[in-house]
Amino acid sequence: DIQMTQSPSSVSASVGDRVTITCRASQGISSWLAWYQQKPGKAPKLLIYAASSLQSGVPSRFSGSGSGTDFTLTISSLQPEDFATYYCQQANSFRLTFGGGTKVEIK
Amino acid sequence: QITLKESGPTLVKPTQTLTLTCTFSGFSLSTSGVGVGWIRQPPGKALEWLALIYWNDDKRYSPSLKSRLTITKDTSKNQVVLTMTNMDPVDTATYYCAHAVRYQLLLLFDYWGQGTLVTVSS
Repeated sequence: DIQMTQSPSSVSASVGDRVTITCRASQGISSWLAWYQQKPGKAPKLLIYAASSLQSGVPSRFSGSGSGTDFTLTISSLQPEDFATYYCQQANSFRLTFGGGTKVEIK
Repeated sequence: QITLKESGPTLVKPTQTLTLTCTFSGFSLSTSGVGVGWIRQPPGKALEWLALIYWNDDKRYSPSLKSRLTITKDTSKNQVVLTMTNMDPVDTATYYCAHAVRYQLLLLFDYWGQGTLVTVSS
């Protein structure tokens, strides 16, 4: 199975900060990666798919990049509503796997 | 408007079989390219994909849980049912169902249910 490793596991940041989260695949997955945001007690929400395509309705301060094994999710200017846990997900095959999550906390 | 909602027991005993139902609206599971998946999340832990069923009844399972899982659909009722046998306390988690779509080679979940917490305890 393809393993997805996220780093850091948590990050403390202030409103207005630029935040970057990394996801690494154990083998190449081209651009077949999605990012989700999950707030406490809520279901995940799709943010980005195909590594860099923004899901409809998602603010443009979110962006994604990468291909192969290394991917990043960037929040250009952190807003209060962005404090949440973020997960990457690969589906290069039918064996879908999620990363371990990155919690973005208030500094 | 696509909505999904999970239902089932909140408490099961070890060794019992869990049956969860996902009732959805706003789409049809007879539409080409559409699927419904199940994902779970133990308290404080990461998401784990469990199973997926497509419009054409193609079924996929997590390799680590395949022997314990069965996913079925009832298109006329707009429901997908997941059964998991031989439940153990480590299976305590919030179970989500989600609408699945394929973007080229990428399968992604664009609409999710609210989740249902299942506790396994004697």
